[in-house]
Amino acid sequence: GIQVEQSPPDLILQEGANSTLRCNFSDSVNNLQWFHQNPWGQLINLFYIPSGTKQNGRLSATTVATERYSLLYISSSQTTDSGVYFCAPLNQAGTALIFGKGTTLSVSS
Amino acid sequence: DVKVTQSSRYLVKRTGEKVFLECVQDMDHENMFWYRQDPGLGLRLIYFSYDVKMKEKGDIPEGYSVSREKKERFSLILESASTNQTSMYLCASSLILQDGLNTEAFFGQGTRLTVV
Repeated sequence: GIQVEQSPPDLILQEGANSTLRCNFSDSVNNLQWFHQNPWGQLINLFYIPSGTKQNGRLSATTVATERYSLLYISSSQTTDSGVYFCAPLNQAGTALIFGKGTTLSVSS
Repeated sequence: DVKVTQSSRYLVKRTGEKVFLECVQDMDHENMFWYRQDPGLGLRLIYFSYDVKMKEKGDIPEGYSVSREKKERFSLILESASTNQTSMYLCASSLILQDGLNTEAFFGQGTRLTVV
C-alpha cells in the first residue's frame, strides 16, 4: 500500500514565524487531505487538494501529484496553530484515507 | 455543515467487556470509517463501510467487528475488550463519486477508550 512520510516530525516556532510542512507519498494518489488535530483530539479539515494550490487565510497547500508530494504553508503562526498536522492521501483503491504519522507543531508567544 | 457525532468522548471499560462505540452522520454519506489513533503511529484504519450492511476490513481489524444497519449509523464493536485496545477511536464519513472515488472525509470528535 501507499506509504506516507511527513516531515519534520516536530516543529517549535515563535509566534509570527512561517513554516512549511512536507508530505511525501510512495505512489500516485487521486486525492489528498490535510487535517489539524486540536488539543482535544478533533480532526479539523484544512484542505482537500488532489493537485494544484489552495489558500485559506494564513494557510495554503500545494500538491504536486506527479512528484508525489504535498506541502502545507503556515504564515504568521499563532499559538492556536499548535497541534498535530496530518497529511492523508486516498489509498490506491480510492476507498479510504491513509495517514502519515503527523507533524507536531508548538507555537509559543 | 457535515456533522459526524460519536456517542461518547471518554469511556472506561473492564477487560473482557463487550464495548459498543457509536457514530452517526447527518449528510447522507455512503461511506463510513473507523480509525484508531495511538501515539507515534498516526491513524490506522480498522473497518469501513460503503453501504448499509456492507463492510470491509481495514489494516487492523483483529479484535473488532462493525455493524451498519442504517445509512447514518456505524457501530464499532469490541467483542471482548483488552488493555491493548486502549486508544483514541475516530469515526469519519464521506460521499462516493460516480467514478467510485471518495470525496472529502469528515471526522467525529473522537472517543478516548480506556480498558482496565
